[in-house]
Amino acid sequence: QVQLVQSGAEVKKPGASVKVSCKASGYTFTSYYIHWLRQAPGQGREWMGVINCSGGRATYAQQFKGRVTMTRDTSATTVYMELSSLRSEDTAVYYCAREVIVVAGNHYTGMDVWGQGTTVTVSS
Amino acid sequence: DIVMTQSPLSLPVTPGEPASISCRSSQSLLYDNGYNYLDWYLQKPGQSPQLLIYLGSNRASGVPDRFSGSGSGTDFTLRISRVEAEDVGVYYCMQALDMRTFGQGTTVEIK
Repeated sequence: QVQLVQSGAEVKKPGASVKVSCKASGYTFTSYYIHWLRQAPGQGREWMGVINCSGGRATYAQQFKGRVTMTRDTSATTVYMELSSLRSEDTAVYYCAREVIVVAGNHYTGMDVWGQGTTVTVSS
Repeated sequence: DIVMTQSPLSLPVTPGEPASISCRSSQSLLYDNGYNYLDWYLQKPGQSPQLLIYLGSNRASGVPDRFSGSGSGTDFTLRISRVEAEDVGVYYCMQALDMRTFGQGTTVEIK
């Protein structure tokens, strides 16, 4: 079945980096974008950016530019999100979610499949 | 950035009764193609978010028909015709016109 499976929980120290993976299965990997979003305790949902799984181009939210890198491995049907210079405010649950790439014959249909979430804790 | 504002932030509901959530955007979400780039998501306790409505009024696959979305431009509404116990959780609107931004979330709980 169609699913996105994320890597496990991480505990990091301030200043370190974290790399979270999102393994896609059950669909044509290169026909979709993968978004990354996060929810910190007591905070709203925050969009971090998106990667085109076909061409590999990534677009990042302004507040994360310079700290986040999204990559994909088409042979492994896996997307990676690396966040550097971690601080306590980055403690959150991180989600990946897919969105279809709109081409002639289809249309936007929202983020229709989500990963299970990865808890990242930043603490000294 | 497009700012999304939801109301109410908390909504106690009675099973079998209707419920509605409002979402307002700081600029129009109506694109040149005639579609409003506004989605609704629900995050049930202990689960990942799930898509309910896309493009303002289109129910996602598998979503019960008691959920409906309406609105255009800057004002949108999610309606539940008859609330069921399984509908509790946090509802978010999200704009997809320019990057992505979310409303603050509306917590729906059973009275």
